[in-house]
Amino acid sequence: DSGVTQTPKHLITATGQRVTLRCSPRSGDLSVYWYQQSLDQGLQFLIQYYNGEERAKGNILERFSAQQFPDLHSELNLSSLELGDSALYFCASSTYHSQVGNTIYFGEGSWLTVV
Amino acid sequence: TQLLEQSPQFLSIQEGENLTVYCNSSSVFSSLQWYRQEPGEGPVLLVTVVTGGEVKKLKRLTFQFGDARKDSSLHITAAQPGDTGLYLCAGAPRTGNQFYFGTGTSLTVIP
Repeated sequence: DSGVTQTPKHLITATGQRVTLRCSPRSGDLSVYWYQQSLDQGLQFLIQYYNGEERAKGNILERFSAQQFPDLHSELNLSSLELGDSALYFCASSTYHSQVGNTIYFGEGSWLTVV
Repeated sequence: TQLLEQSPQFLSIQEGENLTVYCNSSSVFSSLQWYRQEPGEGPVLLVTVVTGGEVKKLKRLTFQFGDARKDSSLHITAAQPGDTGLYLCAGAPRTGNQFYFGTGTSLTVIP
């Protein structure tokens, strides 16, 4: 158990709809990351938040948005869904260890299927 | 542009064989992590290497960080079917807390 919690684990929705994925980072972690992983692709970085503020942006579509709340949990909002948005969406949080620096830990992912 | 390139992309071997997976970059990283991911699950951290030239062993897995901290390798001795999965390397640059993931190596160990 990485300590990163994601809900829901599975989600099936229709094209054009909107969904929200939720993530609770490891206790004490200030950074939250969102990644997308499709069947034939590696991890695609979407966006990173640090203590409530957007820190870095990757290949995130304009139809997608995210935020991190004061209690540090984060939500990824996906709207106007298309078939191609079907993927595993991972949340991760990072911890700084004095001996090894920053280390990233992943949740178990949210399976999104758009039909 | 992919910051971290892994090779090979796919590897299928017989149980008991040895293998090495490489993770290469032209950039210097303050640390590098290796993860294993099984289908439908999140990547699980295997190891973090920090010092150039560092070698870490985890049972049958040996991880090495290049002297210049630009590359790393993962060697598996006497592979088992349970080693099957996607192996990912991830580098953390010196500044900031971004992570850059490699392209991944999909390993299949045939019983």
